[in-house]
Amino acid sequence: EAQVTQNPRYLITVTGKKLTVTCSQNMNHEYMSWYRQDPGLGLRQIYYSMNVEVTDKGDVPEGYKVSRKEKRNFPLILESPSPNQTSLYFCASASITKGGNQPQHFGDGTRLSIL
Amino acid sequence: QQQVKQSPQSLIVQKGGISIINCAYENTAFDYFPWYQQFPGKGPALLIAIRPDVSEKKEGRFTISFNKSAKQFSLHIMDSQPGDSATYFCAALISGGYQKVTFGTGTKLQVIP
Repeated sequence: EAQVTQNPRYLITVTGKKLTVTCSQNMNHEYMSWYRQDPGLGLRQIYYSMNVEVTDKGDVPEGYKVSRKEKRNFPLILESPSPNQTSLYFCASASITKGGNQPQHFGDGTRLSIL
Repeated sequence: QQQVKQSPQSLIVQKGGISIINCAYENTAFDYFPWYQQFPGKGPALLIAIRPDVSEKKEGRFTISFNKSAKQFSLHIMDSQPGDSATYFCAALISGGYQKVTFGTGTKLQVIP
């Protein structure tokens, strides 16, 4: 089954404690991206990657890091989490070599609470 | 700066009615406009999309209307059903890649029996 898998699905942690949210896709997609979803603000892009070792900032990259060492994985790293990073996070992937506008496939989300 | 403005924030429609969600964009370079549907506890999923060279696209009960001169597009859900209750996001991007995807703020639709 084609899917984007995020872990963990829920996490409560404290300010300053480094955390990583993993994202893995099994569709051999080149493009992967992280979004955060906040009430009244919709989905905002944090970082994206067009392929292995190619990453770039989205609209709200401050406080986040990413890496793309393998095509299937795109972890989101919060080196020193702060309460304003409490949010619902989504990972997404898409093919960019099939041509046209291929749909983004989203994971089911990770709800982070930073106390 | 919000480049895609979506309204209304929430919508209650009776079963069988028409649900209408509107979006307006600013960047004239956008040339691909998808709509996503999100159920509670799930990620968004592509519902329907349109390019600005057509004024309307219909897939089943879902129709996108596009007004290029006004920089506006809307989603119409005909014969709305309780199973359509979800959050809907419009989005805009420059086709050829997903480098910069801008989403609207979302509309929570509730269809009541």
